Amino acid sequence: GAVVSQHPSWVICKSGTSVKIECRSLDFQATTMFWYRQFPKQSLMLMATSNEGSKATYEQGVEKDKFLINHASLTLSTLTVTSAHPEDSSFYICSAAEPHQPQHFGDGTRLSIL
Amino acid sequence: LAKTTQPISMDSYEGQEVNITCSHNNIATNDYITWYQQFPSQGPRFIIQGYKTKVTNEVASLFIPADRKSSTLSLPRVSLSDTAVYYCLVGDRGSGNTGKLIFGQGTTLQVKP
Repeated sequence: GAVVSQHPSWVICKSGTSVKIECRSLDFQATTMFWYRQFPKQSLMLMATSNEGSKATYEQGVEKDKFLINHASLTLSTLTVTSAHPEDSSFYICSAAEPHQPQHFGDGTRLSIL
Repeated sequence: LAKTTQPISMDSYEGQEVNITCSHNNIATNDYITWYQQFPSQGPRFIIQGYKTKVTNEVASLFIPADRKSSTLSLPRVSLSDTAVYYCLVGDRGSGNTGKLIFGQGTTLQVKP
């Protein structure tokens, strides 16, 4: 149980393109989803917390207009990297949680901007 | 959020028991202690979670002393496939922002043949 699916697993695109990443909880309803990014050899950095049906809460230093988060249902949250540039290249990971349960993570999306 | 401190790296050999200790001196009353394992280019995988005393599942044990200011993840009889980064996290299990987790640097465990 507690499977979180993330899609796509990797994407390469040109600078200036917007990229959407999906995060789905497959066998449970996630009232809260979290988005992280991870640079090589570093730990995960929390970007934002999203609750179903409400606006996401962004961590300090994360541009909300750059990283658009939508959590329209209890099983789906999306992260859109708008007008992506090479410095946005990273490993993006989502997690999902039911109330009072541990977070479960997707397998990440490797984003490479050329 | 309570900060955690754990060793940067550890080495072990196949078949040995590995204990990774994490310090969390500022743990709050509502906080749980959760351990995750991460392989390269994968998301973290949940290992175990506890609040106090001892928790055991099919892959690990978690020991938490009465003051809860530290915890120890115990991996019995490790194999080469247990080579990974292990993260100790402390946080509330509430909904929304109260349930967020802040990752530290983790412990890189290297298991040798």
